[in-house]
Amino acid sequence: DQQVKQNSPSLSVQEGRISILNCDYTNSMFDYFLWYKKYPAEGPTFLISISSIKDKNEDGRFTVFLNKSAKHLSLHIVPSQPGDSAVYFCAADSTQGGSEKLVFGKGTKLTVNP
Amino acid sequence: ETGVTQTPRHLVMGMTNKKSLKCEQHLGHNAMYWYKQSAKKPLELMFVYNFKEQTENNSVPSRFSPECPNSSHLFLHLHTLQPEDSALYLCASSQNLVGGQFFGPGTRLTVL
Repeated sequence: DQQVKQNSPSLSVQEGRISILNCDYTNSMFDYFLWYKKYPAEGPTFLISISSIKDKNEDGRFTVFLNKSAKHLSLHIVPSQPGDSAVYFCAADSTQGGSEKLVFGKGTKLTVNP
Repeated sequence: ETGVTQTPRHLVMGMTNKKSLKCEQHLGHNAMYWYKQSAKKPLELMFVYNFKEQTENNSVPSRFSPECPNSSHLFLHLHTLQPEDSALYLCASSQNLVGGQFFGPGTRLTVL
């Protein structure tokens, strides 16, 4: 049973437009969420995170929105750039657990076309 | 060197071989992790070490044996693997959950 789901395996957008990557989770104990970006032949790179006490966190072109009632979070990239083309992983954790164990989604491959 | 490094980057081994993957972090973190990434599957957590002590073994078969001699180094010893163990093995480290885990580049393992 997948606790973190990224239902879109791929997304294609034009340069300059907004990219919206979605993630759903099922475990109501999750209270900390992260987005990672992965280029081919490299490990995932941390991008942005959000705690469940917030509903929005912004860092430059990247904004993460959290809707706790819907158990849904999204990553917005605006404006999208060709260098943003990568696989984006959503991850979730329950900070009450103490083991710092992250549960990852399968990833969404973003392609930004020039 | 900075960040999290992993060696080798690529490894091909037979089912009767014994090999080891190495991970080193230069970030002063106290926790280290092994993950497995198979095609079209989510990242799967295998092991967690906190201050050199194993705190998580996610039902990993005994043919995978981790070792953490100190907070900066983590090994994954492999023996009598199966072809379905072919995957990308990622090491990560963290200090706490602020900023998340930092990943190494991974070792692409192929078992013949």
